[in-house]
Amino acid sequence: GENVEQHPSTLSVQEGDSAVIKCTYSDSASNYFPWYKQELGKRPQLIIDIRSNVGEKKDQRIAVTLNKTAKHFSLHITETQPEDSAVYFCAASILGGNMLTFGGGTRLMVKP
Amino acid sequence: NAGVTQTPKFQVLKTGQSMTLQCAQDMNHNSMYWYRQDPGMGLRLIYYSASEGTTDKGEVPNGYNVSRLNKREFSLRLESAAPSQTSVYFCASSTGSTNEKLFFGSGTQLSVL
Repeated sequence: GENVEQHPSTLSVQEGDSAVIKCTYSDSASNYFPWYKQELGKRPQLIIDIRSNVGEKKDQRIAVTLNKTAKHFSLHITETQPEDSAVYFCAASILGGNMLTFGGGTRLMVKP
Repeated sequence: NAGVTQTPKFQVLKTGQSMTLQCAQDMNHNSMYWYRQDPGMGLRLIYYSASEGTTDKGEVPNGYNVSRLNKREFSLRLESAAPSQTSVYFCASSTGSTNEKLFFGSGTQLSVL
């Protein structure tokens, strides 16, 4: 089955700096890669997703890049703000399927 | 529009006891899921139901059973709870019959002593 590794497990940045979280996946058939944000004590929420037919997707201060050859994808957050502090999860699956495999999570702390 | 509603929010069980976690969604979604969240391990799929009347095993189904009661409701049952089942459980739903754009419930924190 699919295996998703996520790094780093914790990340501390200064407000205004950029943050990058990286994930690798094992199943070359995977073609759908969402990112979820979970604030402390809250439910996970989808923030951005990418399909394998594109290499990059942006939404305001958030971007995701995908390298299919190397089987890794990354989340980039620019101009970080304290409200970006949360745990971020990457995931991978085959589009149209139901088996979404999550990475272990990254705790991002943005210091004011 | 409440989204995905889970009950209870907290539960403490003794080893060997049974319980059912309830989940309901009011978004007319076809697919529903049960995940467990453990520190450092992300979210792991227990069972899912791609449509009303169907259920399938996920990554970690042992020790659990599910029932898709109707399109709105998807319950998770622990027949004989074990300490290894101490976790936070999340129900989720999505439009269509795939796992795109999951909407999660608020979670159930379960402790098995």
